Amino acid sequence: KQEVTQIPAALSVPEGENLVLNCSFTDSAIYNLQWFRQDPGKGLTSLLLIQSSQREQTSGRLNASLDKSSGRSTLYIAASQPGDSATYLCAVSNSGATNKLIFGTGTLLAVQP
Amino acid sequence: SAVISQKPSRDICQRGTSLTIQCQVDSQVTMMFWYRQQPGQSLTLIATANQGSEATYESGFVIDKFPISRPNLTFSTLTVSNMSPEDSSIYLCSVEPGLHTDTQYFGPGTRLTVL
Repeated sequence: KQEVTQIPAALSVPEGENLVLNCSFTDSAIYNLQWFRQDPGKGLTSLLLIQSSQREQTSGRLNASLDKSSGRSTLYIAASQPGDSATYLCAVSNSGATNKLIFGTGTLLAVQP
Repeated sequence: SAVISQKPSRDICQRGTSLTIQCQVDSQVTMMFWYRQQPGQSLTLIATANQGSEATYESGFVIDKFPISRPNLTFSTLTVSNMSPEDSSIYLCSVEPGLHTDTQYFGPGTRLTVL
């Protein structure tokens, strides 16, 4: 059974710092991995999607990496801003059920001005 | 991409009653999904709803408790039946538009509190 874990559960940093969020999964037979941010009352916003054959994806100040063999992904946020404050979720889909997302419990990020 | 709206955004309900949550998408999509996020927990998939067929439920979720309708390619409803306080959660719908992307897009969620 696929399990997804995110560390840390919460993180507080001063504005301008670079930071790394971690995601690990127990079954390496994934189809893809997605990073989302969740804002209160606004649902989830997709940030980056990495296919199982890819190593990383970048969008603006965000960079996500994937090491499928070790069951790990990281989300790197450069030059953090107060607007980055949110809960960040990673989710994987397995090869046998590509539409079903299995979520981690998230990292609550607070960027202090 | 896809823009998704949900109604209601939040509700407070009495034990034993039922609530129907609506999910509307701005484009036609084949697959729609319903998730539950209990307080302090991650999102868990309840069921997959395809137009023209019965919903497929995940382990631990049953049709009698969470009946789903999918009358067309832009709309779905989820009913939470005979509610108890343990049903207090955020319920979210999502879609996978396909067409060269596997990204799922989520609605804003419905925050349900059962007294």
